[in-house]
Amino acid sequence: GAVVSQHPSWVICKSGTSVKIECRSLDFQATTMFWYRQFPKQSLMLMATSNEGSKATYEQGVEKDKFLINHASLTLSTLTVTSAHPEDSSFYICSARGRRDSHYEQYFGPGTRLTVT
Amino acid sequence: QKEVEQDPGPLSVPEGAIVSLNCTYSNSAFQYFMWYRQYSRKGPELLMYTYSSGNKEDGRFTAQVDKSSKYISLFIRDSQPSDSATYLCAMGGYQKVTFGTGTKLQVIP
Repeated sequence: GAVVSQHPSWVICKSGTSVKIECRSLDFQATTMFWYRQFPKQSLMLMATSNEGSKATYEQGVEKDKFLINHASLTLSTLTVTSAHPEDSSFYICSARGRRDSHYEQYFGPGTRLTVT
Repeated sequence: QKEVEQDPGPLSVPEGAIVSLNCTYSNSAFQYFMWYRQYSRKGPELLMYTYSSGNKEDGRFTAQVDKSSKYISLFIRDSQPSDSATYLCAMGGYQKVTFGTGTKLQVIP
């Protein structure tokens, strides 16, 4: 199966600082990338969807100025959490979707655990 | 009504049991169907995908799709403690993939 990597796998930052998380699709071209957030014992919550070269589409309730998404190439997307606060502490997971044969497949990265102190 | 419904569980079974995980959906535009497994503190891992009605088998796992009933299942044979995880169904159309909320499975040795 395809591989999606995320970096860093975990990060601790102080309140008010910004954190950037990278997501890379390693062996396929991701026409669409998704960013999810997952709180403990809860399901994935879609934050935003981005197509390569286009602005991201954010889900209702997600602040686009706080969670900056860049999808500059078919293999790289970044999520920057600006002015992070303790309530932003969560598990952030990216997902990449690309076309294989006649259908789309979607793969997840391993996740990034963000702790804001 | 949610587009995809999945029982959150938890589901506890003894080791060696056959596990049946299910999802129903309402959007007839879904064209392909996937099952993911997520261990605690890890990203979801794609287990199975299929884009037609019927069964698809891979080792101990069988994915079943019934488009007429809008119902999909994942069967796990000879379940192992290492199968303990949350299982998410997902369904996709042209541009959109919708996930179920996940079923937590615990296989007891």
